[in-house]
Amino acid sequence: DAMVIQNPRYQVTQFGKPVTLSCSQTLNHNVMYWYQQKSSQAPKLLFHYYDKDFNNEADTPDNFQSRRPNTSFCFLDIRSPGLGDAAMYLCATSRASLNGKNIQYFGAGTRLSVL
Amino acid sequence: LAKTTQPISMDSYEGQEVNITCSHNNIATNDYITWYQQFPSQGPRFIIQGYKTKVTNEVASLFIPADRKSSTLSLPRVSLSDTAVYYCLVGVPTTSGTYKYIFGTGTRLKVLA
Repeated sequence: DAMVIQNPRYQVTQFGKPVTLSCSQTLNHNVMYWYQQKSSQAPKLLFHYYDKDFNNEADTPDNFQSRRPNTSFCFLDIRSPGLGDAAMYLCATSRASLNGKNIQYFGAGTRLSVL
Repeated sequence: LAKTTQPISMDSYEGQEVNITCSHNNIATNDYITWYQQFPSQGPRFIIQGYKTKVTNEVASLFIPADRKSSTLSLPRVSLSDTAVYYCLVGVPTTSGTYKYIFGTGTRLKVLA
């Protein structure tokens, strides 16, 4: 059974039209991550939640926002998608760790197309 | 900020052992090194994790030298189904006390019959 579920698997939006991607988990992990992965590139961390504490990466554009209403769910909002935002968006979860020893569990991703 | 680099691609034949190295020259003292496998249109999947020396599980081994500036993922007797992209992932401490995770550049492994 899938433990990190991302919906939808494929999303098409128009240039400038806000879009929301969702992620849910059944692992009860307190850390949730959002990554952006462009074609033939490594995943790039956008931000993560440590419980309710939001940690934004310094180079994440303001166009990207996130919400975590509870432990199980996390959302990625792209306020005004541009053509350069077309990518696979990956959600991951892990237990909290003070020494970097954790395993991240990834969802299957949402592939976003911007027309 | 840790920089993690890997060879872009590797080819191997079925049944051979494959070794993929990741360089992480700025890894922090307490960072663990984790390796993931990714198939097309799927999320990365955990393979193995280690801190130092050697770690082995049912699918792979991980070798980490004493200076921890690199690590080598070893896949014994690969099969066609091991064709995928392999990433190392290194955690870097942030000023807020959490960890920022940096993926390596990824190695595309192609296993030939």
